[in-house]
Amino acid sequence: GAVVSQHPSRVICKSGTSVKIECRSLDFQATTMFWYRQFPKQSLMLMATSNEGSKATYEQGVEKDKFLINHASLTLSTLTVTSAHPEDSSFYICSARRGTFQETQYFGPGTRLLVL
Amino acid sequence: GNSVTQMEGPVTLSEEAFLTINCTYTATGYPSLFWYVQYPGEGLQLLLKATKADDKGSNKGFEATYRKETTSFHLEKGSVQVSDSAVYFCALRRGDYKLSFGAGTTVTVRA
Repeated sequence: GAVVSQHPSRVICKSGTSVKIECRSLDFQATTMFWYRQFPKQSLMLMATSNEGSKATYEQGVEKDKFLINHASLTLSTLTVTSAHPEDSSFYICSARRGTFQETQYFGPGTRLLVL
Repeated sequence: GNSVTQMEGPVTLSEEAFLTINCTYTATGYPSLFWYVQYPGEGLQLLLKATKADDKGSNKGFEATYRKETTSFHLEKGSVQVSDSAVYFCALRRGDYKLSFGAGTTVTVRA
């Protein structure tokens, strides 16, 4: 099967610092990766779509300068939460889609971010 | 817009009980519909999907039928096992391969 990893799985940081989360497709090339945010007992909210070699497209209401996304290769996308604040504390999940016409998304295990 | 409404949990069952999780959707056109499952400590996995009306998706004993007339995609399993304990998400595919998810339903199966 297709495996997607995320690192770190859990991070605690101080308010005002930046945190980088990595999402890797381990056994396939991902033309598109997606970043989601999940609040406790709530649904996954799509934040942005990341295409290799081009700028990410952000969903309405998501601050692109706050959540920097880089998709530098076909197997790696990174999400950087800049100047993190306690309200950014959440569960961040990435997914990857292999191929232009593939419908199925493969999800990473998620990263728990706690900003103190 | 496109959205998914899923029954709230948590749901607690005994082994071999019948499980049903309701899911209804609002969408323009006829989107593909999915059920994803998240086992403890793991990422979401595709459980089953249906791409058009009256399609039935099935996997691991789970089934769901795409009902256009009721805009529903309810998940069912006739006899659950402890290993089915997980969080289940209903989702629909928007344009450009983006997914809209329901809130998730936590299912606990007791031996």
